[in-house]
Amino acid sequence: AQSVTQLDSQVPVFEEAPVELRCNYSSSVSVYLFWYVQYPNQGLQLLLKYLSGSTLVKGINGFEAEFNKSQTSFHLRKPSVHISDTAEYFCAVSSNSGGSNYKLTFGKGTLLTVNP
Amino acid sequence: DAGITQSPRHKVTETGTPVTLRCHQTENHRYMYWYRQDPGHGLRLIHYSYGVKDTDKGEVSDGYSVSRSKTEDFLLTLESATSSQTSVYFCASRTGNSGQPQHFGDGTRLSIL
Repeated sequence: AQSVTQLDSQVPVFEEAPVELRCNYSSSVSVYLFWYVQYPNQGLQLLLKYLSGSTLVKGINGFEAEFNKSQTSFHLRKPSVHISDTAEYFCAVSSNSGGSNYKLTFGKGTLLTVNP
Repeated sequence: DAGITQSPRHKVTETGTPVTLRCHQTENHRYMYWYRQDPGHGLRLIHYSYGVKDTDKGEVSDGYSVSRSKTEDFLLTLESATSSQTSVYFCASRTGNSGQPQHFGDGTRLSIL
């Protein structure tokens, strides 16, 4: 079984400030990790994914995330946020085995609000 | 992004009525998934499909059934809707290749009065 904990339900920041959204996971098997973004009244859009290799992963819209196996974390960062980054962000994990049918387990989400 | 269409986009119905939500994808993806999204819960898996006529239960499957008679279509049915099933429902699909992400539709907002 897998679980995902997003440590902050809401993160308010000012425009052009840096931001970190925290994600910890638990799994007994090797995993793939994902960050998705959801804008109001829309579906989820993939920001980035970690499969293997380099622990620093770059995604769209200037976001990046770092996989830390020892701390079972996959925190999302952006050095300078914009008003348009206001959205809900979801961390998700799946087993890297096809036998799991690649089911995703999601965290409960972090609402990022960027203020002027 | 992947061509995933959910219908209807909004629906209001009464307790006890049957409801069917449709997910249609044009990417020939092998896997399809139904989730519900509720405040404070994130997304929770209801049912999923790993091929035509191959389906299985997810985390919150009670009160729901699914069918997949064609690769492109995955139907979610609430046999007798209850107010606790008021939610936003998302469909997703993905290829069978390892490491590929799930792609999501725009959701169906379902209200059961």
